[in-house]
Amino acid sequence: DAGVIQSPRHEVTEMGQEVTLRCKPISGHNSLFWYRQTMMRGLELLIYFNNNVPIDDSGMPEDRFSAKMPNASFSTLKIQPSEPRDSAVYFCASSYLTGAQPQHFGDGTRLSIL
Amino acid sequence: DQQVKQNSPSLSVQEGRISILNCDYTNSMFDYFLWYKKYPAEGPTFLISISSIKDKNEDGRFTVFLNKSAKHLSLHIVPSQPGDSAVYFCAVHGSSNTGKLIFGQGTTLQVKP
Repeated sequence: DAGVIQSPRHEVTEMGQEVTLRCKPISGHNSLFWYRQTMMRGLELLIYFNNNVPIDDSGMPEDRFSAKMPNASFSTLKIQPSEPRDSAVYFCASSYLTGAQPQHFGDGTRLSIL
Repeated sequence: DQQVKQNSPSLSVQEGRISILNCDYTNSMFDYFLWYKKYPAEGPTFLISISSIKDKNEDGRFTVFLNKSAKHLSLHIVPSQPGDSAVYFCAVHGSSNTGKLIFGQGTTLQVKP
């Protein structure tokens, strides 16, 4: 079974550049979550989608961050322009919406903004 | 204001002994609790969960205990193995059925051979 697939695994770019992170959820899952992990703040939820619709984006730190889910099998998290403080590991997770279900995580994208 | 707290950043135990990881939460409305394990350079992996209608759930070497009156959750690993060395996160699910989880800060477990 294919798990949650994230790309790229690592991204190093210069401040001011646009960064796009990609996620393919597990087939059949109808909820998708974007998290950011830092030493200071731990694992924090940025935004999540139910049935491709953004439900709660209150965790998105600034307007420089945006996320889309054009279909059930693909989502992107974009940072434009990027800043050094955006450096972190970004995880995508998916789950079934019905009932209390565990989320399944991808292996993350390690982002470094120079 | 952290709704989910893991007060011990790290724990070290000897192989074969019991590992006990703790987690406290603030909201009595939380209805579903989970533990995740995370190895370096990998995403968190679901380990075990418990519903608020239960006080114990067991899966092999892993047992989760829920004390609702104390708003306390614990994970017991018996016997501990070196391969259990990882970061353990507790997470809680609210009652709104949105699927949203709130994670603790994590506890790094080291099991020494």
